[in-house]
Amino acid sequence: AQTVTQSQPEMSVQEAETVTLSCTYDTSESNYYLFWYKQPPSRQMILVIRQEAYKQQNATENRFSVNFQKAAKSFSLKISDSQLGDTAMYFCAFISGNTPLVFGKGTRLSVIA
Amino acid sequence: EAGVTQSPTHLIKTRGQQATLRCSPISGHTSVYWYQQALGLGLQFLLWYDEGEERNRGNFPPRFSGRQFPNYSSELNVNALELEDSALYLCASSFGVVAGELFFGEGSRLTVL
Repeated sequence: AQTVTQSQPEMSVQEAETVTLSCTYDTSESNYYLFWYKQPPSRQMILVIRQEAYKQQNATENRFSVNFQKAAKSFSLKISDSQLGDTAMYFCAFISGNTPLVFGKGTRLSVIA
Repeated sequence: EAGVTQSPTHLIKTRGQQATLRCSPISGHTSVYWYQQALGLGLQFLLWYDEGEERNRGNFPPRFSGRQFPNYSSELNVNALELEDSALYLCASSFGVVAGELFFGEGSRLTVL
């Protein structure tokens, strides 16, 4: 069974600084997708960034980028120039084939002014 | 375009009662997913429906059940409620059975007293 592990339950960062959230996963599949979702306080979950396993190039979306290490089964999220609006729960997620999205337990990120 | 909508927003029940939660997917989306988000446990997969059929089921007892209607909306039923069923129940939709982005609703918070 696929598992996703986020080892940092909580993190904080100063506004305008850079922070990296960690995620590791376990799978025997060769083709899969990885995601980072963001859940702001009392608001709905939205997709931050997505990575296809067959693509070697790391995905980037504005201030958000990933470091995808397939051999190490690692998928970290880097947030540059952190903003107060980045305060949220961040969930790493994995999907492969005909299975539903599997989530990690989340990392609560606080951006401090 | 309307997003995923869930009702009710909040629901309070007592132990042993039944709860019914409803979800309307984004127009054109045929897959609906249900997740339970309990404090400290991240998102636990409950059920996945596509084209009216149950595609997959998470590790939950049979008192958690649901269905998908011809218009692709879905309901989740929880029978014989227990205190530990208190959680935020999230519904998500996607276009078909593809490894793509899930679009989430704002959730239904169930409190069991």
